[in-house]
Amino acid sequence: AQKVTQAQTEISVVEKEDVTLDCVYETRDTTYYLFWYKQPPSGELVFLIRRNSFDEQNEISGRYSWNFQKSTSSFNFTITASQVVDSAVYFCALSGTSGGGADGLTFGKGTHLIIQP
Amino acid sequence: GAVVSQHPSWVICKSGTSVKIECRSLDFQATTMFWYRQFPKQSLMLMATSNEGSKATYEQGVEKDKFLINHASLTLSTLTVTSAHPEDSSFYICSARVYQELYEQYFGPGTRLTVT
Repeated sequence: AQKVTQAQTEISVVEKEDVTLDCVYETRDTTYYLFWYKQPPSGELVFLIRRNSFDEQNEISGRYSWNFQKSTSSFNFTITASQVVDSAVYFCALSGTSGGGADGLTFGKGTHLIIQP
Repeated sequence: GAVVSQHPSWVICKSGTSVKIECRSLDFQATTMFWYRQFPKQSLMLMATSNEGSKATYEQGVEKDKFLINHASLTLSTLTVTSAHPEDSSFYICSARVYQELYEQYFGPGTRLTVT
């Protein structure tokens, strides 16, 4: 069975601080995909990143960066110089592969990020 | 980019009635669609996987007779909540897997169901 753990239920920081959201996963699949999504109050999921299990390169996109470490089964997400607009619930998710494509996603419980002005 | 729509965006129904939610891929073909449910302040839980032209596969604990899924075309999947009860009130979100890009999934905006 797959599992995604986001231990931080809520994080509150002051604007311009850096913040890291933790994600630890469990899977028996050798090929899998990891995701991060942002969910603002409107509810619509905003895709941030997808990583496959064979690509451990860290990625940076503007103020966002991701650190994937297979050795510790972690896929952490850092926001640099946070802004009020970053306030949302962030979900880490995992999918295996079967039937010739990616499976439905297993989501973590989410981290509610609050950026105070 | 790939767009997935859901209709309606919100619906209120009376207990005991049925409600249908549509999920459409607007600019691509989707052989596989997924349905998720999200209770307030909780995570998303996969309910079922629907493949075009075949029966849906339901996750453990999801009543297939209560949540009827039909994936009759490459661009449309429907979820019907039958005999809805207040505990079925939730946010229902679908995602569609692109036919020729097996590892890409795109989410719809969600449907908020309230059963009174």
